[in-house]
Amino acid sequence: DTAVSQTPKYLVTQMGNDKSIKCEQNLGHDTMYWYKQDSKKFLKIMFSYNNKELIINETVPNRFSPKSPDKAHLNLHINSLELGDSAVYFCASSLGHGYTFGSGTRLTVV
Amino acid sequence: TQLLEQSPQFLSIQEGENLTVYCNSSSVFSSLQWYRQEPGEGPVLLVTVVTGGEVKKLKRLTFQFGDARKDSSLHITAAQPGDTGLYLCARGEGGGADGLTFGKGTHLIIQP
Repeated sequence: DTAVSQTPKYLVTQMGNDKSIKCEQNLGHDTMYWYKQDSKKFLKIMFSYNNKELIINETVPNRFSPKSPDKAHLNLHINSLELGDSAVYFCASSLGHGYTFGSGTRLTVV
Repeated sequence: TQLLEQSPQFLSIQEGENLTVYCNSSSVFSSLQWYRQEPGEGPVLLVTVVTGGEVKKLKRLTFQFGDARKDSSLHITAAQPGDTGLYLCARGEGGGADGLTFGKGTHLIIQP
């Protein structure tokens, strides 16, 4: 069983489109996250979501919005995609110090 | 944002050699984690250290947290090709919802 699963694995889309990436965790963790990994492999946190509390990294454009239908899901919706949004996006979850990451979604904006 | 400096950025060595990678910060961290990431996958947690001076071992990997809790090292003994990957250190603040701040990583290649 995959602990943190995200779909799709690959996403190619045109500039200006709106897209969503889904994430589900079956670990019973209480906090979920979205991270962005750039072409130089630098991982940076975008959002964390815990008990309906959303913490946003102030550098994230408001075109990005997380949506959590329940404790096990945290989806990422992106409006008006730009070329610079191309990256690998990772979902993660945690309980205390234990973090588990999904296998990533490679987003390519053309 | 408290920066984490990792060194070296790239390291390529022969199978059987030993190596050490470093993670440093100018500020104290409450906890530090090491991850390994392979191509096409997410980071996988290797270890969490929380106490200054702490040493943890995971098979051929030895992790050390500095006494002042501002630095950490990862030592690999008798490296094997399966150790190839991107090694990331990350600081967390008490496991809270602020998430992790990552270093830029060490790209390690072990040649057979």
